Amino acid sequence: DTAVSQTPKYLVTQMGNDKSIKCEQNLGHDTMYWYKQDSKKFLKIMFSYNNKELIINETVPNRFSPKSPDKAHLNLHINSLELGDSAVYFCASSLITDTQYFGPGTRLTVL
Amino acid sequence: GESVGLHLPTLSVQEGDNSIINCAYSNSASDYFIWYKQESGKGPQFIIDIRSNMDKRQGQRVTVLLNKTVKHLSLQIAATQPGDSAVYFCAENYPGANNLFFGTGTRLTVIP
Repeated sequence: DTAVSQTPKYLVTQMGNDKSIKCEQNLGHDTMYWYKQDSKKFLKIMFSYNNKELIINETVPNRFSPKSPDKAHLNLHINSLELGDSAVYFCASSLITDTQYFGPGTRLTVL
Repeated sequence: GESVGLHLPTLSVQEGDNSIINCAYSNSASDYFIWYKQESGKGPQFIIDIRSNMDKRQGQRVTVLLNKTVKHLSLQIAATQPGDSAVYFCAENYPGANNLFFGTGTRLTVIP
């Protein structure tokens, strides 16, 4: 029943490691997004994908790379994790640029 | 109770009172606006939206007002309940943009 799902919900890892967060949506949407939410609750767009094509890529480090195997999935890979990467990461999906529906979030803690 | 977006990021209201959360948006070309509610430990949830050809839209216990002249958006919650306690975000979209642009959020605390 879950519209937008993410795994894992919590991720604790050491600095320098590489990790991935998975996202899936069953809404039939054509655009998916990744957001980073900092400790002050500010939501910052990182990426969006439309029909398997990257359409925005904000000023995020190239250690972050989105991978979309199909229209229903947008995974986030992070290489060489740093302390400042600790945050909550949200996946979202929408029809083109209409209302976005968010996943439950993945809390990433880098030690 | 009433808040002003960026200047008062926290709003406390008594249970049963009406709440007003305000948002000043930045782009005069924005034509679509959404309010989201984010409860602790959860992702933002859609509450209500409004397009620029309207100045008011009502949902269940919520009303969104849009004043394009001063680029101001507000969310009114009637008879606020403890379950309304959350962070509320406004978001805007304009033609040609590939994404929504979120405000900084307002934390609403309902006092029983």
